[in-house]
Amino acid sequence: GENVEQHPSTLSVQEGDSAVIKCTYSDSASNYFPWYKQELGKGPQLIIDIRSNVGEKKDQRIAVTLNKTAKHFSLHITETQPEDSAVYFCAASISGDKLSFGAGTTVTVRA
Amino acid sequence: EPEVTQTPSHQVTQMGQEVILRCVPISNHLYFYWYRQILGQKVEFLVSFYNNEISEKSEIFDDQFSVERPDGSNFTLKIRSTKLEDSAMYFCASNRDSNEKLFFGSGTQLSVL
Repeated sequence: GENVEQHPSTLSVQEGDSAVIKCTYSDSASNYFPWYKQELGKGPQLIIDIRSNVGEKKDQRIAVTLNKTAKHFSLHITETQPEDSAVYFCAASISGDKLSFGAGTTVTVRA
Repeated sequence: EPEVTQTPSHQVTQMGQEVILRCVPISNHLYFYWYRQILGQKVEFLVSFYNNEISEKSEIFDDQFSVERPDGSNFTLKIRSTKLEDSAMYFCASNRDSNEKLFFGSGTQLSVL
């Protein structure tokens, strides 16, 4: 089955700096790659997603890049703010329903 | 914004007891899922459900687990005889179509003693 690896496990950045989280996947058939943000006491919330027919997608301060050849994708958060502090999960799937998740990255934005 | 609702938020049970975790998916969604996250581990897929039947299940989803949509709004996960290793956060999720964005509930923390 699909195996998703996520790095780093923890990330501490100064407010205003950028944060980058990287994921790799194993199944070349995967074509859907969402990113979720999980705050304390809440479920994962979708923040951005990308499909394999697109190399990059941006939504305000958040961007995701996909390299199908290398089977890796990354989340970029620019101009980080304290409210960006959370656990971030990448995921991959073939059909969009059965997601395989990475282990998560705990992001801390220092004021 | 519509959301997936899960109850209870915490459930404590004795080993061997049956538990039912409840979810109310977003109203116009047709596909329903259960995932779980054991402390310190990845979020894992358990089961997907569409048109009143299971469409896919993982190895974890053995005969001790069952799902049901008892009415037009609820979606439940039953664990027949809980084991210690069933202790985890259980997330319900739904989407309108299987290849559309997946929305998660806040989870039920199940503790089996």
